[in-house]
Amino acid sequence: GNSVTQMEGPVTLSEEAFLTINCTYTATGYPSLFWYVQYPGEGLQLLLKATKADDKGSNKGFEATYRKETTSFHLEKGSVQVSDSAVYFCALSERDSSYKLIFGSGTRLLVRP
Amino acid sequence: DADVTQTPRNRITKTGKRIMLECSQTKGHDRMYWYRQDPGLGLRLIYYSFDVKDINKGEISDGYSVSRQAQAKFSLSLESAIPNQTALYFCATAPARLAGEQFFGPGTRLTVL
Repeated sequence: GNSVTQMEGPVTLSEEAFLTINCTYTATGYPSLFWYVQYPGEGLQLLLKATKADDKGSNKGFEATYRKETTSFHLEKGSVQVSDSAVYFCALSERDSSYKLIFGSGTRLLVRP
Repeated sequence: DADVTQTPRNRITKTGKRIMLECSQTKGHDRMYWYRQDPGLGLRLIYYSFDVKDINKGEISDGYSVSRQAQAKFSLSLESAIPNQTALYFCATAPARLAGEQFFGPGTRLTVL
């Protein structure tokens, strides 16, 4: 079945450090890929997405590239801020009529001043 | 006002009690979803609905039931709550044509003693 695997957290960084959160997926078709972010006490919000191979999604300084050859969608940011502290979820959605999301287990990021 | 609201935000109940979690949305979306979040497991889909007459089971529907009372309302019921249903529950909505882009409510923290 389809699945998403993320690196385990927590990831602790100093402000302005470079961030990478690894995400790989298993899917039978050609899924769309997503990163969602959950700030403390809130629901999830869509951070960025990519719908086909080699697409790059970007938002708020975060980027991720859909790599079909390595089945990966790693999240990166060049310079993190304290306000980026949150839990980040990688997810996929198959191209069927359900548009269900399958989530990874989430990676907690803590950015220290 | 929030586009997706959930009530209650927190609930403590006892084993065997029936409990209902409610979700309302003002986004006009046809698709609605219920997830539960457990530490280290990400979000798992309980039920989803494409319209009032179309209800589908997700990967962990046992012990839960749902009701889609209107396009804007989607309720989740635990007929006889048990301690391992202690979790954070999220409702989400999605427009019909955007695969995987879902909009989440703030969550309901449920504790079953």
